Amino acid sequence: EVQLLESGGGLVQPGGSLRLSCAASGFTFISYSMLWVRQAPGKGLEWVSSISGDTATTYYADSVKGRFTISRDNSKNTLYLQMNSLRAEDTAVYYCAKCISGCHKGGIDYWGQGTLVTVSS
Amino acid sequence: IQMTQSPSSLSASVGDRVTITCRASQSINNYLAWFQQKPGQAPKSLIYASSSLQSGVPSKFSGSGSGTDFTLTINSLQPEDFATYYCQQYDSYPFTFGGGTKVAIK
Repeated sequence: EVQLLESGGGLVQPGGSLRLSCAASGFTFISYSMLWVRQAPGKGLEWVSSISGDTATTYYADSVKGRFTISRDNSKNTLYLQMNSLRAEDTAVYYCAKCISGCHKGGIDYWGQGTLVTVSS
Repeated sequence: IQMTQSPSSLSASVGDRVTITCRASQSINNYLAWFQQKPGQAPKSLIYASSSLQSGVPSKFSGSGSGTDFTLTINSLQPEDFATYYCQQYDSYPFTFGGGTKVAIK
């Protein structure tokens, strides 16, 4: 059974940093691209970032480029999102998700339960 | 690529058939997915590649379309189907989602 368990969310001040983690199990982690999607309170879904299984390729939304870094540790079956220079508009539930193979032209099949990030003074 | 869903909300009765449309601002071939989200829960993947059902998703859900126009159809609506539905294109980065369609009980 595929399981994705996010952690690391919380309250942070504007300008601060936070690192989200997503522990994966139930599949061969290195074989699949992964991504992060966020959802601001009461709003729709927004793609944030994607990473290939071999870590060679990463993509970012313009809204987070230069501030967020996606990475993965295939030895630990864990996906990360390092978030720096946080802004109020980054407040959202952050979901990690598994892609069917690659994310580009592959699609998403499984989602984690999400972790809430609140940026406020 | 902009994804436009319609309607943004609808009311339907148990047993109804519901159709939601999603239009892309340019061709995305068939790289279109549909997700279901219930309040307080994570999204759930329903359909990928426009018409392929994810494992475990009942056949009452179906998708169609290619290019720029897509539809999600839900047959025989049941209480557990009342939720918000999102489309998403993954033909090119940045991936984009539609604004969502909230399906409520009439």
